[in-house]
Amino acid sequence: QVQLVQSGTEVKKPGASVKVSCKTSGYTFTSYDVHWVRQAPGQGLEWMGLINPSSGGTSYAQKFRGTVTMTRDTSTSTFHMELSSLRSEDTAVYYCARVSEYSSSFFDYWGQGTLVTVSS
Amino acid sequence: QSALTQPASVSGSPGQSITISCTGTSSNIGSYDLVSWYQQHPGEAPKLLIYEGSKRPSGVSNRFSGSKSGNTASLTISGLQAEDEADYYCYSYAGSSTWVFGGGTKLTVL
Repeated sequence: QVQLVQSGTEVKKPGASVKVSCKTSGYTFTSYDVHWVRQAPGQGLEWMGLINPSSGGTSYAQKFRGTVTMTRDTSTSTFHMELSSLRSEDTAVYYCARVSEYSSSFFDYWGQGTLVTVSS
Repeated sequence: QSALTQPASVSGSPGQSITISCTGTSSNIGSYDLVSWYQQHPGEAPKLLIYEGSKRPSGVSNRFSGSKSGNTASLTISGLQAEDEADYYCYSYAGSSTWVFGGGTKLTVL
């Protein structure tokens, strides 16, 4: 069965970077784009960007250009999202989500979420 | 890339119907039939309810339906049930390989 398993909770200081991983299984890794979505405490979902696992090509939300880097490792079927220059406002749960087999316009599988806390 | 506009909250009694609107622009909702809707209960990942504006995945109750008119998409929940109490998000393609969520709507079942 399809699974997206994310790395564990992170606590970082302002100005630092964080790298969250999303290990996939149960499907052909290179076939479906993966997006990253975050949710600050008590707030809504925010689209951060996507990565094409076949080409490694990325697209980022304007807000995150310059601070986010999305990569993939085809040898381990794992995606990574690195966010730099962290601020307290980056405290959030970060999700990876796979697009559907039917269409890339929606998600059918999500990771369990990774809490990143930014605090001095 | 501003978030799509949703009402912060809606409420209804069991058995009633409610509609949640999601307003975008001609650059996102108005130009593409690629709106999806997600339900999120506290502490859980979002769950797909509607895709491509009005299509319902298998396993999702037919009490959930979606539509679009111009730059606004809508999610209607009929026959409200207690377990429908959750947060709801719209999501749309915004062009140039970018996507955008709505701000979210908290549904309270009275």
